[in-house]
Amino acid sequence: DTGVSQDPRHKITKRGQNVTFRCDPISEHNRLYWYRQTLGQGPEFLTYFQNEAQLEKSRLLSDRFSAERPKGSFSTLEIQRTEQGDSAMYLCASSLLQAGPYNEQFFGPGTRLTVL
Amino acid sequence: KQEVTQIPAALSVPEGENLVLNCSFTDSAIYNLQWFRQDPGKGLTSLLLIQSSQREQTSGRLNASLDKSSGRSTLYIAASQPGDSATYLCAVIDQTGANNLFFGTGTRLTVIP
Repeated sequence: DTGVSQDPRHKITKRGQNVTFRCDPISEHNRLYWYRQTLGQGPEFLTYFQNEAQLEKSRLLSDRFSAERPKGSFSTLEIQRTEQGDSAMYLCASSLLQAGPYNEQFFGPGTRLTVL
Repeated sequence: KQEVTQIPAALSVPEGENLVLNCSFTDSAIYNLQWFRQDPGKGLTSLLLIQSSQREQTSGRLNASLDKSSGRSTLYIAASQPGDSATYLCAVIDQTGANNLFFGTGTRLTVIP
């Protein structure tokens, strides 16, 4: 499979628990993005990596959120002490940074988080 | 901050009709604009990408136009089919180093057989 994959696809947790999501990008892609989408809204940018370096974080990414991409391949997004407001679809995308103005992002299927 | 608006929020049409979805953005300093399709509970599928130097892109029954100076884009779907039922999202790509996407809230399309 050459697409972006995410695991798990669905996660139900109780308020206060920690959760971790994984994203596997397209193999040669050096950029990886995380977005969050709440019901009825468009996705919002959270953070992105170029290789293993986290280069930008949105103000939406509170200190309960942490993302890593330790070897420049897969990435994890951890949410500590989950709150009901964290319930959303978490989308991962990857792209290949090349010369030129823009590098098309390819999205994974998302992880649906429900916090009870 | 870039803001993207999509009108209408929802649209129902009978099968076979042609339709137009609208997207507007506040900051014309964009690299490109992209249209996505999202089925319920699923991820995003890219439909068309228009570079800032282009005016339109076509793929099958889909045609997307871009008027960068006025901050507008349209997605035209010809001869709609029930399988076209989905949410259509417009996103602009900013000119910062991150190239992150700024999305609208989408138009939910229902094509009635």
